Amino acid sequence: DARVTQTPRHKVTEMGQEVTMRCQPILGHNTVFWYRQTMMQGLELLAYFRNRAPLDDSGMPKDRFSAEMPDATLATLKIQPSEPRDSAVYFCASGGDSEQFFGPGTRLTVL
Amino acid sequence: EDQVTQSPEALRLQEGESSSLNCSYTVSGLRGLFWYRQDPGKGPEFLFTLYSAGEEKEKERLKATLTKKESFLHITAPKPEDSATYLCAVQGIQGAQKLVFGQGTRLTINP
Repeated sequence: DARVTQTPRHKVTEMGQEVTMRCQPILGHNTVFWYRQTMMQGLELLAYFRNRAPLDDSGMPKDRFSAEMPDATLATLKIQPSEPRDSAVYFCASGGDSEQFFGPGTRLTVL
Repeated sequence: EDQVTQSPEALRLQEGESSSLNCSYTVSGLRGLFWYRQDPGKGPEFLFTLYSAGEEKEKERLKATLTKKESFLHITAPKPEDSATYLCAVQGIQGAQKLVFGQGTRLTINP
């Protein structure tokens, strides 16, 4: 049963610290997405990659967020420095040309 | 800019009481409309993709329909296990594979 995996599942950190979230997409999927979900804003697209190349990162605060895909089995989302307003659930999704399949998310709390 | 509005925000039904959830959208050109189900603490789970007006898809007690302006998710004789948040998203022809999500409808089915 192919699934998207994400680590860590939960992260509590203090303001100013670096946070790195990892995602393993479903094997064979050529597109990987990073979303953020909050009660106020719902699900927002932060960035996405196709064939490991960044296609769109317009949803991401570029001064503190960075997304990379060092190889086909790993995508990373980094926040440096983290701020309390970054507290949210971060989802990774992977897909082909149409449907996207989501991971279980990383719940981030920045104190 | 592509937009999705879901209504109602929350819906409470008795077991067996059928109803419909609405998803209104504006998009420059529709590539696809997607329905997801999200349980608390989990990532969205893919349900359906609809591509053109008049299309319908069914899965167990759920049926999704599509017009040029909106989609409905019909729930027939729901059971308590159908309780979840249902998310609608659109993919426009100009946004490549980007999905724009609505805020969701939180559905509760009472036994």
